[in-house]
Amino acid sequence: SQKIEQNSEALNIQEGKTATLTCNYTNYSPAYLQWYRQDPGRGPVFLLLIRENEKEKRKERLKVTFDTTLKQSLFHITASQPADSATYLCALAVTGGGNKLTFGTGTQLKVEL
Amino acid sequence: DGGITQSPKYLFRKEGQNVTLSCEQNLNHDAMYWYRQDPGQGLRLIYYSQIVNDFQKGDIAEGYSVSREKKESFPLTVTSAQKNPTAFYLCASRTLNTGELFFGEGSRLTVL
Repeated sequence: SQKIEQNSEALNIQEGKTATLTCNYTNYSPAYLQWYRQDPGRGPVFLLLIRENEKEKRKERLKVTFDTTLKQSLFHITASQPADSATYLCALAVTGGGNKLTFGTGTQLKVEL
Repeated sequence: DGGITQSPKYLFRKEGQNVTLSCEQNLNHDAMYWYRQDPGQGLRLIYYSQIVNDFQKGDIAEGYSVSREKKESFPLTVTSAQKNPTAFYLCASRTLNTGELFFGEGSRLTVL
């Protein structure tokens, strides 16, 4: 069966450090993968999209990598700040899937002073 | 300001009652989606629509119904046939040629 897995345990890091979140998938032929941020009680907000033929994407302090051999995407936040504390969701669209997205369960990040 | 508006934000319902959640967008997006979010689970797709007067079932459509009479609007009805309706419901939209989803602020439904 097809699965998207994110670390269900919360990630606690110190301000200024780099946070790294993982998204693993099985049995998908991906077209692209997206990362979203979700604050408690709010809707997710789009952060980055990376296509299956791209290795890395950057946006300000954010970096996403995509390894289709390992079936894994890594999401990095450099110089993390308490305001980065939120839940981060990855979402995968498969080739021929009509742009339909399947979401992971999300990983909660807490950045401490 | 362009965006997606969901209402109501909080809704309480007695068992056996149908309830309709509103979703309106002024982004001129063709595609609209309804997701359900439960604690510890990812967003699960209920229904989606890529064009007016047409919609498709998602992964968990049983007990739900939708309509798409206008491009801007995609209401979701949670019927009494839905066994476990208490959840956080999210509406989203996007243009057909981009991947980015724009979400509303969500509606939290509690069945008493």
